[in-house]
Amino acid sequence: QVQLQESGPGLVKPSQTLSLTCTVSGGSISSGSYYWSWIRQPAGKGLEWIGRIYTSGSTNYNPSLKSRVTISVDTSKNQFSLKLSSVTAADTAVYYCAREWEDYMDVWGKGTTVTVSS
Amino acid sequence: SSELTQDPAVSVALGQTVRITCQGDSLRSYYASWYQQKPGQAPVLVIYGKNNRPSGIPDRFSGSSSGNTASLTITGAQAEDEADYYCNSRDSSGDQLVFGGGTKLTVL
Repeated sequence: QVQLQESGPGLVKPSQTLSLTCTVSGGSISSGSYYWSWIRQPAGKGLEWIGRIYTSGSTNYNPSLKSRVTISVDTSKNQFSLKLSSVTAADTAVYYCAREWEDYMDVWGKGTTVTVSS
Repeated sequence: SSELTQDPAVSVALGQTVRITCQGDSLRSYYASWYQQKPGQAPVLVIYGKNNRPSGIPDRFSGSSSGNTASLTITGAQAEDEADYYCNSRDSSGDQLVFGGGTKLTVL
């Protein structure tokens, strides 16, 4: 079955850009009518939807993050990516990637912790 | 603040029935999905659509909706159901997704 795995630096300096990649295995990122999403969770807090991308390249972003977020897809590598610019300590969180269909997320990665600190 | 509102905490006696609710204007137009999250683990989808369970989710989990409120019901709660539960749906604009603040379920 489809599995997702997040990867990227665990430590990012303030004001820099956070970059994460989600690798899809067990199926093609291009097959089916799926969106591919990013969600984050600060320690001890709730889930926050960051945004999503369709394999056509169309995107939707959380309005509160829209000015700093870019989500892209690389179908040749079966991957999609998240870039979050101008990070601060408030961006410290566990970041999850997920497969989404009709507004629900049925497959999640295990999550990766990103700390913003100098 | 979230456009979907959940009670922060709910408790239930072992074997009893508990309802976890999610309120928001967008729920008049869109279904909510529900996720269970245990400490240190990724969320798991438990209910989606009108009232659908993914494969492997026990049938004691069910979902319903009325007006601006979606509900997750656990009939005969088990100790392993103790977790955080999050609802998810579209926001009022319909263009983005949003999560509720989460409900911590304690099984007594």
